[in-house]
Amino acid sequence: AQKITQTQPGMFVQEKEAVTLDCTYDTSDPSYGLFWYKQPSSGEMIFLIYQGSYDQQNATEGRYSLNFQKARKSANLVISASQLGDSAMYFCAMRGDFGNEKLTFGTGTRLTIIP
Amino acid sequence: DAGVTQSPTHLIKTRGQQVTLRCSPKSGHDTVSWYQQALGQGPQFIFQYYEEEERQRGNFPDRFSGHQFPNYSSELNVNALLLGDSALYLCASSSTAGELFFGEGSRLTVL
Repeated sequence: AQKITQTQPGMFVQEKEAVTLDCTYDTSDPSYGLFWYKQPSSGEMIFLIYQGSYDQQNATEGRYSLNFQKARKSANLVISASQLGDSAMYFCAMRGDFGNEKLTFGTGTRLTIIP
Repeated sequence: DAGVTQSPTHLIKTRGQQVTLRCSPKSGHDTVSWYQQALGQGPQFIFQYYEEEERQRGNFPDRFSGHQFPNYSSELNVNALLLGDSALYLCASSSTAGELFFGEGSRLTVL
């Protein structure tokens, strides 16, 4: 079974500061993928970044980077230079091996950017 | 290029009724997954369809059923609605082992 844990229900961050959203995971699959999604109030899940379990380098996408520490089973999202539009729910998710491709989500972190 | 589209966006039903939600995948995608997101929770996987067959199913009762059509669009059917079925239902599409794109969801309220 796969499990994602997000221990920060809510965070408040000053605009232009960097923020780290925590995510730990558990799985028995030998290979897996880790995702971060942003969900604004409209409801759509917006893909931010992906990290494969065998990727050697941490993933980056613009202002988003994923701090992947395999031994600690953590996949924290780092947002640099936060903007007011970053205020939303953020979900960490995991996908298993071929044949187990469902996404398992955490409970999410509500991020609020303060002007 | 249209992304994933879902209909209806909002609907209200009463207990015991049946509901059908629809999803059109992103162009080029052949796999559709459905998720249920209760208020304040992360999405929960319901099932996935590929080549018109259910390929994987989450821990949901048989009241939840689905279908995929030859054009890859999909329907989610829920019978004998319960109050606890009130949620945002998200559809996601992908190509084989590719990135998932989500629609904006169908918000179901059961009274």
